[in-house]
Amino acid sequence: NAGVTQTPKFRILKIGQSMTLQCTQDMNHNYMYWYRQDPGMGLKLIYYSVGAGITDKGEVPNGYNVSRSTTEDFPLRLELAAPSQTSVYFCASSYSGLKGEQYFGPGTRLTVT
Amino acid sequence: AQKITQTQPGMFVQEKEAVTLDCTYDTSDPSYGLFWYKQPSSGEMIFLIYQGSYDQQNATEGRYSLNFQKARKSANLVISASQLGDSAMYFCAMRVSYNNNDMRFGAGTRLTVKP
Repeated sequence: NAGVTQTPKFRILKIGQSMTLQCTQDMNHNYMYWYRQDPGMGLKLIYYSVGAGITDKGEVPNGYNVSRSTTEDFPLRLELAAPSQTSVYFCASSYSGLKGEQYFGPGTRLTVT
Repeated sequence: AQKITQTQPGMFVQEKEAVTLDCTYDTSDPSYGLFWYKQPSSGEMIFLIYQGSYDQQNATEGRYSLNFQKARKSANLVISASQLGDSAMYFCAMRVSYNNNDMRFGAGTRLTVKP
């Protein structure tokens, strides 16, 4: 099993550009998440999904969009990139329920200049 | 609202000694789960240990144990016999049952193990 994979690993965007961060998991988890981690900080939840076709906002959703057409894939779309979106982005997945530990991807380091 | 607080930005410990990383939490939900993750300098997030609010015993996983004090709303991570490879950021996180899609993370503690 590859677990949770993310592409790209690094990306530099100019202000106003758009991009999609890809996330795929092969563990058949229903739950998937997108977090951002700013320097020296913990993770903040951007969006999550409890299954294909179902998504919802987390703590910091502004400036992002997601879709979940399959169990495996959960792409994150940035429209009109801003310097405030410079961060490391982590995708995670888990089985459902309170105890479900989250399995994280390796992260995408995004810089917006 | 749920909240996680880690008050130690950085900690130092001598190799082979034990260290305690503090975590306090706040929630009005009686059913919740507490997690600790390790983030080495390579950046990945590694799950360490889980404690449920109704668990009678403190969780243990190898050299990691969780000192769960429910009345004080604390869930401190204890690492015994520290190793150089334990140097990393450590994050405490909480999930509550009424919205178990929302995992809240603390700001983290950077642990440095000295040889």
